[in-house]
Amino acid sequence: DAGITQSPRHKVTETGTPVTLRCHQTENHRYMYWYRQDPGHGLRLIHYSYGVKDTDKGEVSDGYSVSRSKTEDFLLTLESATSSQTSVYFCATQGRKGGDTEAFFGQGTRLTVV
Amino acid sequence: AQKVTQAQTEISVVEKEDVTLDCVYETRDTTYYLFWYKQPPSGELVFLIRRNSFDEQNEISGRYSWNFQKSTSSFNFTITASQVVDSAVYFCALTSNNAGNMLTFGGGTRLMVKP
Repeated sequence: DAGITQSPRHKVTETGTPVTLRCHQTENHRYMYWYRQDPGHGLRLIHYSYGVKDTDKGEVSDGYSVSRSKTEDFLLTLESATSSQTSVYFCATQGRKGGDTEAFFGQGTRLTVV
Repeated sequence: AQKVTQAQTEISVVEKEDVTLDCVYETRDTTYYLFWYKQPPSGELVFLIRRNSFDEQNEISGRYSWNFQKSTSSFNFTITASQVVDSAVYFCALTSNNAGNMLTFGGGTRLMVKP
């Protein structure tokens, strides 16, 4: 299994506050992703990165920003948290693009915005 | 646009029954990849299988088998002789060379296996 660590694992925050979630990988994978999981929607892509400082938007990127200053770290920031961003967030990595290999997922971060 | 539909939101079976989880996909690309992931109650996502669009051979791995049919755009997953440990949410997912590396997930099927 890919070494993917998400922190924190659980967080409760207040509406309007900024929140940063961290994903750290030890596999030297080029591609990294942030997904959110909500009932009935499966997982939806928020942002992804295809290299250091190279990022792009996914399906549900509004209200989120990302940064990748090192291969191993991919940060997700909720600029001003809202209750609709209460969700479980998963980081994933891939060594090669697209379907060439499977994506490996972190353990998830449960975020509650009150 | 790509789409994955898992019409069964919840399935309940008794241990040792066979169960099939349905997955129907939509894509305009001719080269694409299909995946199944398992999410047990502990919450992590576990990779089960990857299949590319040029390989329609069915696959069997122990009690698990997958039926890929391009003619019906389906990639169904069957568990034979289900066990309580199979209880989980199962996700089907799709990506393609033109999809910008994005995995599109279905909504998931929650499987409950009762003793």
